[in-house]
Amino acid sequence: GAVVSQHPSWVICKSGTSVKIECRSLDFQATTMFWYRQFPKQSLMLMATSNEGSKATYEQGVEKDKFLINHASLTLSTLTVTSAHPEDSSFYICSARGTGVVFRETQYFGPGTRLLVL
Amino acid sequence: GEDVEQSLFLSVREGDSSVINCTYTDSSSTYLYWYKQEPGAGLQLLTYIFSNMDMKQDQRLTVLLNKKDKHLSLRIADTQTGDSAIYFCAESNPGNTGKLIFGQGTTLQVKP
Repeated sequence: GAVVSQHPSWVICKSGTSVKIECRSLDFQATTMFWYRQFPKQSLMLMATSNEGSKATYEQGVEKDKFLINHASLTLSTLTVTSAHPEDSSFYICSARGTGVVFRETQYFGPGTRLLVL
Repeated sequence: GEDVEQSLFLSVREGDSSVINCTYTDSSSTYLYWYKQEPGAGLQLLTYIFSNMDMKQDQRLTVLLNKKDKHLSLRIADTQTGDSAIYFCAESNPGNTGKLIFGQGTTLQVKP
């Protein structure tokens, strides 16, 4: 149980294009999903917290107009990197927090999406 | 603010025990976690411990929590080459917003 998927697993795009990344909880309902960014050999940096049916809460320094987050259902959240530039190249990881006594307190992570902007 | 610290690197021989250490600053943390990340992959939840526990064992993994010193450790018995990865310690946000505060990660290298 507690499987989270991400799609695509990797993407290469031209500078100026927009890229959408999907995060799905496959076998549980996720009231909250989180989006992280990870640079090589570094820890995860939380970008935003996404609650189903409401606006995402962005961490300080993260541009909400650049990184659009939508959490339309209890099993799906999307991150859209708008007008991507080479400095947006990174490894993006989502996690999902479920409901229930155990799931509520634990984040389950997706496999990550590697984005390369040329 | 909250802070979680780990040593950056640990090297052990196959078959030995590995001990990865972590310190945290927020005494009101309710849950503490250990995640494993293999190259190019997401994070795999290994185990977690409630803050009112001292120890938790799960097969080859033993988690020790010293709440007084705010020190958490992960012991891997009979370490295998497949255990080579980055291990992240994390604490839950005390405000119960669900945020995790991560350490920098400890790279475990297992030599055959």
